[in-house]
Amino acid sequence: GNSVTQMEGPVTLSEEAFLTINCTYTATGYPSLFWYVQYPGEGLQLLLKATKADDKGSNKGFEATYRKETTSFHLEKGSVQVSDSAVYFCALRRSNDYKLSFGAGTTVTVRA
Amino acid sequence: EAGVTQFPSHSVIEKGQTVTLRCDPISGHDNLYWYRRVMGKEIKFLLHFVKESKQDESGMPNNRFLAERTGGTYSTLKVQPAELEDSGVYFCASSLWTGTVPNTGELFFGEGSRLTVL
Repeated sequence: GNSVTQMEGPVTLSEEAFLTINCTYTATGYPSLFWYVQYPGEGLQLLLKATKADDKGSNKGFEATYRKETTSFHLEKGSVQVSDSAVYFCALRRSNDYKLSFGAGTTVTVRA
Repeated sequence: EAGVTQFPSHSVIEKGQTVTLRCDPISGHDNLYWYRRVMGKEIKFLLHFVKESKQDESGMPNNRFLAERTGGTYSTLKVQPAELEDSGVYFCASSLWTGTVPNTGELFFGEGSRLTVL
C-alpha cells in the first residue's frame, strides 16, 4: 500500500538557519507529492507540490524535488523565520485515486 | 470568501458519550472529505462525499461513526458511543469538482476539531 515516512520532530531552529525535513514514500506507479503546513490556529494549507519525477515544487522560500530514484521529497528552506513555526506534513496521492496519504507530521519551532 | 469551517474547535467528553462534529465547506464545493489524526500520528482518510452522496467510506473505523451531508451543504460526523481511542483531531476538507475521474482538485482544509475522550 501507500505510505509516507517523514522525519520525526520536534525540530527547533534559530532564525536564519537552514531547514530540511526528510520525506520518503512507498507507492506504486507515479504518485503526486505534496507538502502541507498547519500554522498555529489555522487549517492545513497546501505549501507546494510536484506531480512527476524531477519536478521541483516551491513556495514561500520552501523547495522540494520529486526524486523517483530515491522515492523522496525532502522539504528545504535556506533561511527560516519565526513565522515558519508550524507542523509540516508530507503527503502523496496516487495517479488513479483522489485520497491523500499523509506522513505523521513534523513540528518545527523557530526561535528569534 | 470564507474557508472551510469546523465546529467545535475542541470537545472534551467522557467515554460512552456522543459527540457531533460539524463541517461547513467552501460554498460551491461539491466534494467534502473527512480525515483524522490520532495521537500525533499520520492523518488518515475517513470518507468522501460528492454533494449528499457518500462516494467512499472505506476509512471509517467502525459503525460507531456516522457521517451525513444532508442537502449537500454542511456535513456532520457523529461518534456514538465515543471510546478513548477516538481521541484526535478531525479534519474536514472540500474541493471543487474538476470533471476528471478521479477528482484531483486541490483540497482546502479546515482547522480541525480536536476531540478528547476521557
